[in-house]
Amino acid sequence: EAQVTQNPRYLITVTGKKLTVTCSQNMNHEYMSWYRQDPGLGLRQIYYSMNVEVTDKGDVPEGYKVSRKEKRNFPLILESPSPNQTSLYFCASSSDSQREAFFGQGTRLTVV
Amino acid sequence: AQSVTQPDIHITVSEGASLELRCNYSYGATPYLFWYVQSPGQGLQLLLKYFSGDTLVQGIKGFEAEFKRSQSSFNLRKPSVHWSDAAEYFCAVGAGFSGGYNKLIFGAGTRLAVHP
Repeated sequence: EAQVTQNPRYLITVTGKKLTVTCSQNMNHEYMSWYRQDPGLGLRQIYYSMNVEVTDKGDVPEGYKVSRKEKRNFPLILESPSPNQTSLYFCASSSDSQREAFFGQGTRLTVV
Repeated sequence: AQSVTQPDIHITVSEGASLELRCNYSYGATPYLFWYVQSPGQGLQLLLKYFSGDTLVQGIKGFEAEFKRSQSSFNLRKPSVHWSDAAEYFCAVGAGFSGGYNKLIFGAGTRLAVHP
């Protein structure tokens, strides 16, 4: 089954403790992105990647890092999480710049 | 600036009634337009998309949307709502560069409640 898989689905952590949210897609897609969803704001792009080793900032990149060492994986790294990063995070992938994006199930992160 | 506006935060309809969710966008180039649905605790599922061609597009679950360039709108419609349609609906425009996109700009969403 074609899918985007995120782990974990739920995470509670403390301020300053580094964490990684994994994202993997099995569709051989070139494009991958991370979004965060906050009430009243919809989804906003954090980072995106157009191919292996090619990443760029989205609209809200502060406090986040990404890497794309393999085509299928695109982890989101929070080096020093803060409470304002409490949010619902989605990973997405698409085959190219002219196709629809497929989304993962989401990761609900709480930073206390 | 590129943006998407969904004027209705909450909408309540009776089961069997018709539905229209509004979406207006601001984008200089020819837009790639999408409607996604998010059921409680779930990810986003694509309902339909418009890239070019016929301005009335059909999607899954009986939804359709019409692209109106003169009004910068892409409203979602369904002739008869089912209780299972209760969810949050997001309109989005693909942005980034001419001839494609590298990010989606989302509206704030419209939460739909369905009365039996």
